[in-house]
Amino acid sequence: SQQGEEDPQALSIQEGENATMNCSYKTSINNLQWYRQNSGRGLVHLILIRSNEREKHSGRLRVTLDTSKKSSSLLITASRAADTASYFCAWSNSGYALNFGKGTSLLVTP
Amino acid sequence: DTAVSQTPKYLVTQMGNDKSIKCEQNLGHDTMYWYKQDSKKFLKIMFSYNNKELIINETVPNRFSPKSPDKAHLNLHINSLELGDSAVYFCASSSTSQSTDTQYFGPGTRLTVL
Repeated sequence: SQQGEEDPQALSIQEGENATMNCSYKTSINNLQWYRQNSGRGLVHLILIRSNEREKHSGRLRVTLDTSKKSSSLLITASRAADTASYFCAWSNSGYALNFGKGTSLLVTP
Repeated sequence: DTAVSQTPKYLVTQMGNDKSIKCEQNLGHDTMYWYKQDSKKFLKIMFSYNNKELIINETVPNRFSPKSPDKAHLNLHINSLELGDSAVYFCASSSTSQSTDTQYFGPGTRLTVL
């Protein structure tokens, strides 16, 4: 199975706090991406990290990648209520299809 | 303007019926995808077309048949619907078929089979 794991499954924090979610995958990869899904909507791409990169930043997002442990983490700093969503990691080993993790549901309360 | 659109947004139908979901993208992309998201939010690739040619065909019942009349459209036809087909189906597109390209998702079609 290409299915990976995301941890935690659900996370509840207050505005202003940082949120960290982790992703583990099972195969070698050439890149890993993170997507956000607001309730009832499609997925929106957040950030991509290539297999030869260890860390990447985009605004309040920080992604790390440890290919030796087959894991990645997404850190959202200074969270806002609008960050409430499900977050999915997705990876590719073939260069074509993306495999998605199970997702982390993030709730940010005012 | 909506980048990736799907119709219908909701589809409720009886077991055994045949139904179609349509997808259109106005981004000028070469590659389009169909994903299925189950009740536990697990998202799985079903098909991918690049320039109207099928390039990914995952293990999906042959009751599901994609059709790409042109690069901007990818439709999904489902025959003999079963209860287990109930899910949200997402269409997506990307500039090329390379996995490093950002995929742009449609709003989804929630299919309920009764």
